[in-house]
Amino acid sequence: KAGVTQTPRYLIKTRGQQVTLSCSPISGHRSVSWYQQTPGQGLQFLFEYFSETQRNKGNFPGRFSGRQFSNSRSEMNVSTLELGDSALYLCASSLAGRQDLDEQFFGPGTRLTVL
Amino acid sequence: SQQGEEDPQALSIQEGENATMNCSYKTSINNLQWYRQNSGRGLVHLILIRSNEREKHSGRLRVTLDTSKKSSSLLITASRAADTASYFCGNSGGSNYKLTFGKGTLLTVNP
Repeated sequence: KAGVTQTPRYLIKTRGQQVTLSCSPISGHRSVSWYQQTPGQGLQFLFEYFSETQRNKGNFPGRFSGRQFSNSRSEMNVSTLELGDSALYLCASSLAGRQDLDEQFFGPGTRLTVL
Repeated sequence: SQQGEEDPQALSIQEGENATMNCSYKTSINNLQWYRQNSGRGLVHLILIRSNEREKHSGRLRVTLDTSKKSSSLLITASRAADTASYFCGNSGGSNYKLTFGKGTLLTVNP
């Protein structure tokens, strides 16, 4: 089976722009979670989607949004980019959708740099 | 917040030595998972330990859980240079099941 894929792998944007990141989970996985990783804050949970519904949400401003499609692929969008949004954005998928029970399979991440 | 804390932040050892990393968390948990991350890449699941378990083994890995102290430890025996990576613990509790990670321990194994 192919692993979790994320596109693009690297992205450079300027302040005020918006960005859309894409995640394709492992075939058959219905849960997709997004994380932001920075040196200062570590790995922080953004949100989780299961069967096209947002099931969990972290403590991020409304500029961060996401969605999941019927084929379980997910996108996250960040509007009005700020310098502090520079980070590695990781996507993870799991089979049944219980993060505490299921192994999370992570993608390689998208490195976003905001100038 | 259930965010955990890994300790130490960084650890440097020689190949063949054992490495021990600790993780503490704040509230009661359903279970705890350990992940490894090679530089700038995604996380890889290592082991899951449930709240009613005290110890679990997987190859050279040994994880313990002490719910009374709200802490867990990951022991890597006979370390190899390839074990060089950051190690994270993720815990979940309550009814929303989401995983919360600490900032990780950077392990460097010198050949």
